[in-house]
Amino acid sequence: AQSVTQLDSHVSVSEGTPVLLRCNYSSSYSPSLFWYVQHPNKGLQLLLKYTSAATLVKGINGFEAEFKKSETSFHLTKPSAHMSDAAEYFCVVSDLVDDNNDMRFGAGTRLTVKP
Amino acid sequence: NAGVTQTPKFRVLKTGQSMTLLCAQDMNHEYMYWYRQDPGMGLRLIHYSVGEGTTAKGEVPDGYNVSRLKKQNFLLGLESAAPSQTSVYFCASKESRMNTEAFFGQGTRLTVV
Repeated sequence: AQSVTQLDSHVSVSEGTPVLLRCNYSSSYSPSLFWYVQHPNKGLQLLLKYTSAATLVKGINGFEAEFKKSETSFHLTKPSAHMSDAAEYFCVVSDLVDDNNDMRFGAGTRLTVKP
Repeated sequence: NAGVTQTPKFRVLKTGQSMTLLCAQDMNHEYMYWYRQDPGMGLRLIHYSVGEGTTAKGEVPDGYNVSRLKKQNFLLGLESAAPSQTSVYFCASKESRMNTEAFFGQGTRLTVV
C-alpha cells in the first residue's frame, strides 16, 4: 500500500535562508506526488505536483521539488524563505493500487520563518 | 468562483447529538472526499464518492455516514457524536482519480463535549 513519511514535524528557518522539507514515499507502482500548503485556519492549496514527466517540478511562490525514484523521495525546497511561507506543508502520494484511498497524506511539516 | 464551500464553519455538539456537514462544489467534479485533520496525523480519509449516487469507505469511516444525491453536493453525517470525533473536517473535490489537483474547502471545526 502507498504511504508517505514527512521526516520533520517542524522546521524553523530565518527569512532569506533556504527551505528544505523532506518527504519519503512508498508505492507499488509509479505514483503521482503532490505538495499542498495550509495557512492558518485555511483550506489546502496545491503547491506543485509530479506526474511522471520532468523529475524537477516547479511550483508556485518559488517552491520546487525533485522526484528521486532511487531514494523514494520528493523533497520540497525554496532558495530563500519569506515570512509569508510560514504554514503547514503536506506531501501526498497517489497511485491506482489503493482502492480505498487515492490520496494518502503525510503527517505534515510546520514551517516557521523567523525575521 | 466559489470552488468548494463547506457549511457550517464551526459547531459545538453534545455527546450523542447528530449533525450533517454540507460540502458543495461548482466545478462539475466527479470525485468528492471527506477528511478529518487531527494534530500530527495529517488528513485521514473518512468517505469518498466517485460520482453522483455513489459512496465508498475510506480509512476511518466508523461513526460517519455520507450521501451524494446530487453531483455538486456531498454530505457527511454524524448520527451520535462522540468526543473522539472532535476534529477539523475538510471536504475536497477533483476532476478525476489520478494526476489532478484536489480543491479543498475551508474546513469545519467540530467540538464534541
